[in-house]
Amino acid sequence: SQKIEQNSEALNIQEGKTATLTCNYTNYSPAYLQWYRQDPGRGPVFLLLIRENEKEKRKERLKVTFDTTLKQSLFHITASQPADSATYLCALGSSYKLIFGSGTRLLVRP
Amino acid sequence: ETGVTQTPRHLVMGMTNKKSLKCEQHLGHNAMYWYKQSAKKPLELMFVYSLEERVENNSVPSRFSPECPNSSHLFLHLHTLQPEDSALYLCASSEESSGGAVSPREQFFGPGTRLTVL
Repeated sequence: SQKIEQNSEALNIQEGKTATLTCNYTNYSPAYLQWYRQDPGRGPVFLLLIRENEKEKRKERLKVTFDTTLKQSLFHITASQPADSATYLCALGSSYKLIFGSGTRLLVRP
Repeated sequence: ETGVTQTPRHLVMGMTNKKSLKCEQHLGHNAMYWYKQSAKKPLELMFVYSLEERVENNSVPSRFSPECPNSSHLFLHLHTLQPEDSALYLCASSEESSGGAVSPREQFFGPGTRLTVL
């Protein structure tokens, strides 16, 4: 069955450093991948979408890579800030349907 | 604000009660979704509506009954729920692509309804 793995352990980093979150998947060939941010008590908020034929996407301090051979996406936040602290979800899809990972919690220390 | 509202934000109900969750989107989207989010688990897609027609029913028990009266409103009717149904229920919407198929567009989520079944 399809499986998406995100590090369940919280990622704890110092302000100003680059945060790197990993999303691995098996038994699936998604046409695209999305990253969302979720704060406690709120719904997820869309951040970036990357398609299977794209290697990298950037938006301000965010960068996403997509390696369909390794079946992995990396999500980077450069110059991290305490306000970046949240849970980050990856989601894979091939049509309208998204399959979400459990998310990784990021804590950025001042 | 994402343009998607959900009411109520919190709901406590007994197993014999009947209640409804409401979702409204102000974005002009044509596709709407219900998700369930339990602690430490991924979001689970429950139902998808595209152009007010249900296109996905993800093996959800019949005690959950969705309704989409128009493209801006989505309901989830609840009856005889179980304690394990306690979770955060999220509504989302997205643009519908040409040709009738829902495209891989970003989804806009509401804040969710925190449901507790006693």
